[in-house]
Amino acid sequence: DARVTQTPRHKVTEMGQEVTMRCQPILGHNTVFWYRQTMMQGLELLAYFRNRAPLDDSGMPKDRFSAEMPDATLATLKIQPSEPRDSAVYFCASVPDRRNYGYTFGSGTRLTVV
Amino acid sequence: RKEVEQDPGPFNVPEGATVAFNCTYSNSASQSFFWYRQDCRKEPKLLMSVYSSGNEDGRFTAQLNRASQYISLLIRDSKLSDSATYLCVVNPGPLRSDSWGKLQFGAGTQVVVTP
Repeated sequence: DARVTQTPRHKVTEMGQEVTMRCQPILGHNTVFWYRQTMMQGLELLAYFRNRAPLDDSGMPKDRFSAEMPDATLATLKIQPSEPRDSAVYFCASVPDRRNYGYTFGSGTRLTVV
Repeated sequence: RKEVEQDPGPFNVPEGATVAFNCTYSNSASQSFFWYRQDCRKEPKLLMSVYSSGNEDGRFTAQLNRASQYISLLIRDSKLSDSATYLCVVNPGPLRSDSWGKLQFGAGTQVVVTP
């Protein structure tokens, strides 16, 4: 089965440190999403890309978060500086363009900022 | 008001019983609909798409009511392995719009199947 690969699976870091999360979408999927999930807020869309171009990052705190897609096989989400309230599970998902079915999610990065 | 609303549950269901739950969505122009399943500490996985005429996939039946803007999921002959959180998901945008694909997720309905 094709899958979305995320690294690292778990990350514990101290407040103020930079965190980088990586995602390899399924080959041929040209739309990539970053979501954050917490118990309180559920799944929140942070950013998404189509054909590597950022289309919407309105869900992201701009002062500390940045998302990029340097090539078709890699999407990154960075937090600098990290804060305890950033602790959450970050999911990447991909979907082929213009197809009317759901996303495939990666296994997520569980981030804990202490 | 949230775009997609679900009863959080939990729905405690004896093994072999039937359970059904709904979700409502606020955007009447929403285009497509899905149910996802999420196990504890795992990623959401697509369970089934929801079509206007209603559709079945084994023990699972999904219905869409556009007039009332709700989606339902029914699970027959519940198994212990059906215990999970079920996420109602809506694709709000027309196929060629920028909002296409920005799926809106409900907070989930927890189902606990007991022996």
